[in-house]
Amino acid sequence: GDSVTQTEGLVTLTKGLPVMLNCTYQTTYSPFLFWYVQHLNEAPKLLLKSSTDNKRTEHQGFYATLHKSSSSFHLQKSSVQLSDSALYFCALSPMNYNQGKLIFGQGTKLSIKP
Amino acid sequence: EAAVTQSPRSKVAVTGGKVTLSCHQTNNHDYMYWYRQDTGHGLRLIHYSYVADSTEKGDIPDGYKASRPSQENFSLILELASLSQTAVYFCASSDNGGPYAEQFFGPGTRLTVL
Repeated sequence: GDSVTQTEGLVTLTKGLPVMLNCTYQTTYSPFLFWYVQHLNEAPKLLLKSSTDNKRTEHQGFYATLHKSSSSFHLQKSSVQLSDSALYFCALSPMNYNQGKLIFGQGTKLSIKP
Repeated sequence: EAAVTQSPRSKVAVTGGKVTLSCHQTNNHDYMYWYRQDTGHGLRLIHYSYVADSTEKGDIPDGYKASRPSQENFSLILELASLSQTAVYFCASSDNGGPYAEQFFGPGTRLTVL
């Protein structure tokens, strides 16, 4: 069936370093991929989304490229800040899904140290 | 900006008791969703609705009922609360059911069943 896998439960980095959070997915349909971010005690919010193969999508310094050949949509940032500490979810909406239903990965907690 | 509110923000319930979680949106969105969040599982869809007076089962509907009395309001009902239903519950809305639609989340309700 359709699924999303985020391999890292927790990523701890020092401010200023680059980060990549992994996201792979499984579906037999055309995929729409999302990254949602949830800061402590806040609601999840959309960070970025894509459905175009091999095209980089950017928002708020974060970027991701959907690679259908490897079923991946990794989230990257070149230099993390303290404010980037949050829970990051990758989500999939297969083309066959109606009513906008999403399949979420397990989430990756990003913790940034000074 | 989109506004989704939830009440209560936290609740302690007893096993076997009835619990009602409420969600209200002022976005004029047709679609509304209920998710639960557990550590290590990300967000999982319980019920959703795309029109008032109608609800649909999500991926994990067992033990939950939903009610959509109006476009703005969507409730999640636990008739007989159980320990396994301890989780954080999120409500979300979106303006359409397309696979690329952004979902706007409420702040969440932390439910503890004792």
